[in-house]
Amino acid sequence: GAVVSQHPSRVICKSGTSVKIECRSLDFQATTMFWYRQFPKQSLMLMATSNEGSKATYEQGVEKDKFLINHASLTLSTLTVTSAHPEDSSFYICSARKGQGEKLFFGSGTQLSVL
Amino acid sequence: DQQVKQNSPSLSVQEGRISILNCDYTNSMFDYFLWYKKYPAEGPTFLISISSIKDKNEDGRFTVFLNKSAKHLSLHIVPSQPGDSAVYFCAALPWGYTGTASKLTFGTGTRLQVTL
Repeated sequence: GAVVSQHPSRVICKSGTSVKIECRSLDFQATTMFWYRQFPKQSLMLMATSNEGSKATYEQGVEKDKFLINHASLTLSTLTVTSAHPEDSSFYICSARKGQGEKLFFGSGTQLSVL
Repeated sequence: DQQVKQNSPSLSVQEGRISILNCDYTNSMFDYFLWYKKYPAEGPTFLISISSIKDKNEDGRFTVFLNKSAKHLSLHIVPSQPGDSAVYFCAALPWGYTGTASKLTFGTGTRLQVTL
């Protein structure tokens, strides 16, 4: 199956700092990548849809200035949590769509802890 | 508003027996359903899907049943194996989901433990 690599897997940072999370499709080109957030005991919630070469589409309630998404190439999308605060502590996970099929391939996720 | 619900947060089943994981949805626009399996420290992986034009889809030990009138689907694993121990998420796509704009709505997940 297709492989999506996500780094880092875990990050601890101080409040006010920015954190960048990378999502790479290793063996396929992904025109669309999705970013999700999961709080404990809750479902994966879509944050934004990232299309290569264009601006990301954010879900309602997600601050685009806080969660910066860049999809500069067909194999890389990044999520930057700017000026992170403790309430941003969560599990962030990306997924990439291979072609036009509905199968999504997920990264392994990033556990962000903001102190 | 949780549109896709998995009311059982956990399930324990003996090896060799059947595991039944349930999922309910509220949005009648959902038209395509998927099950994902997630091991700790890994991302979810696609398991099996079903379109609303069907009421059953089978793939090896895994079968998904869809009851549209009840807005309910279930995943059956027979026989259950210890390697099946994981968190299972159901997810749904709305009618007209084709194209890059489509997005999944996930349930909260059910942790399956298959015991020896």
